[in-house]
Amino acid sequence: AQSVTQPDIHITVSEGASLELRCNYSYGATPYLFWYVQSPGQGLQLLLKYFSGDTLVQGIKGFEAEFKRSQSSFNLRKPSVHWSDAAEYFCAVVSYGGSQGNLIFGKGTKLSVKP
Amino acid sequence: GAVVSQHPSRVICKSGTSVKIECRSLDFQATTMFWYRQFPKQSLMLMATSNEGSKATYEQGVEKDKFLINHASLTLSTLTVTSAHPEDSSFYICSARHPGQVNQPQHFGDGTRLSIL
Repeated sequence: AQSVTQPDIHITVSEGASLELRCNYSYGATPYLFWYVQSPGQGLQLLLKYFSGDTLVQGIKGFEAEFKRSQSSFNLRKPSVHWSDAAEYFCAVVSYGGSQGNLIFGKGTKLSVKP
Repeated sequence: GAVVSQHPSRVICKSGTSVKIECRSLDFQATTMFWYRQFPKQSLMLMATSNEGSKATYEQGVEKDKFLINHASLTLSTLTVTSAHPEDSSFYICSARHPGQVNQPQHFGDGTRLSIL
């Protein structure tokens, strides 16, 4: 079965420091991958997506992610974190078990930003 | 701006009450909408897939008589939690996907915090 793993439950970085959030997936073929961000008590906002083509994808708010098939990874990065980036981040993959392409989410990584 | 509107954002009610949550796609027609449940400090778990004009598809373990889903139009899906009990307290989030390929991203509502006393 497909799955998404986010190994880090909670990460704290200093404002201005670089960030990398890890995501690993399990799927035999090329997956459709997403990163979403959730602020407390809010819904999810799409940061970026990968379907095919260039393995380095750019998203909103200065985020990027790199798809590495050999490592089954889709890590999210940002060169300089801002205090407003503090939130919960979810990696997700389109499920091919269901017929309508619902999303399978990782358990999320909570990002805290130190001043 | 928001492309998916979810209402209400918060509900507090007594045990035994039925609660309806609305999910509206504001700027596109969504033949498919999804309902998720999120427990504190956990990820989103798919409850059901809502299909316009047909019955919803429920995930294993989700009681369809407990969580009634109606998708009567291309822009509106509703989730009704019938005879809610404290264990139903949770954060419920809907999403809508642009029609077409399954790889289209889902757009999420802001969620509904349901608290059953």
